[in-house]
Amino acid sequence: GQNIDQPTEMTATEGAIVQINCTYQTSGFNGLFWYQQHAGEAPTFLSYNVLDGLEEKGRFSSFLSRSKGYSYLLLKELQMKDSASYLCAVRDRSRDDKIIFGKGTRLHILP
Amino acid sequence: DSGVTQTPKHLITATGQRVTLRCSPRSGDLSVYWYQQSLDQGLQFLIQYYNGEERAKGNILERFSAQQFPDLHSELNLSSLELGDSALYFCASSVPRYSGANVLTFGAGSRLTVL
Repeated sequence: GQNIDQPTEMTATEGAIVQINCTYQTSGFNGLFWYQQHAGEAPTFLSYNVLDGLEEKGRFSSFLSRSKGYSYLLLKELQMKDSASYLCAVRDRSRDDKIIFGKGTRLHILP
Repeated sequence: DSGVTQTPKHLITATGQRVTLRCSPRSGDLSVYWYQQSLDQGLQFLIQYYNGEERAKGNILERFSAQQFPDLHSELNLSSLELGDSALYFCASSVPRYSGANVLTFGAGSRLTVL
């Protein structure tokens, strides 16, 4: 089977930094994705990690540790528009390369 | 506009009815994925097609079926609808990036309400 766990909700302040964690269990790990989804809208791609380490892209960074089954998404200099759900997804080679999503973390930004 | 087109955007129907949701992938994308998103659930993978062939199947109910046509558009058929089928249905298509990663590009979704 495959489990993907992330916190349900988080709150942070405008201008601050927030880290959203994701843990997963899979027998055929083949990459991890982070998507952003505003309420009622389509998810949009943020980042992809397949090797251990940190990928930085502007205000957003994503980290992966395959041995620990762990990833995090780091958002810096938070803006009000960052209020959204952040979805962690894992591609599983043992399951026909399906891309399975976690339930997402709802991030609230306070002024 | 992501380039993935889904119709209809909204659909209201009654229990026991049947509906068809349609998806046109981004130009050049051969893979189409269908996901269901309910309020208390995350994105649930339903089914994937690649160039007309079924590639992978998730927890898709027997009342649901899908296909991908030669022009690569896809349809998701939902029959004998129940209240619990009310959800957002997303279609996504993929293009290989980042050394083979299937980065999904989602359509705007079809919101189905079953009364």
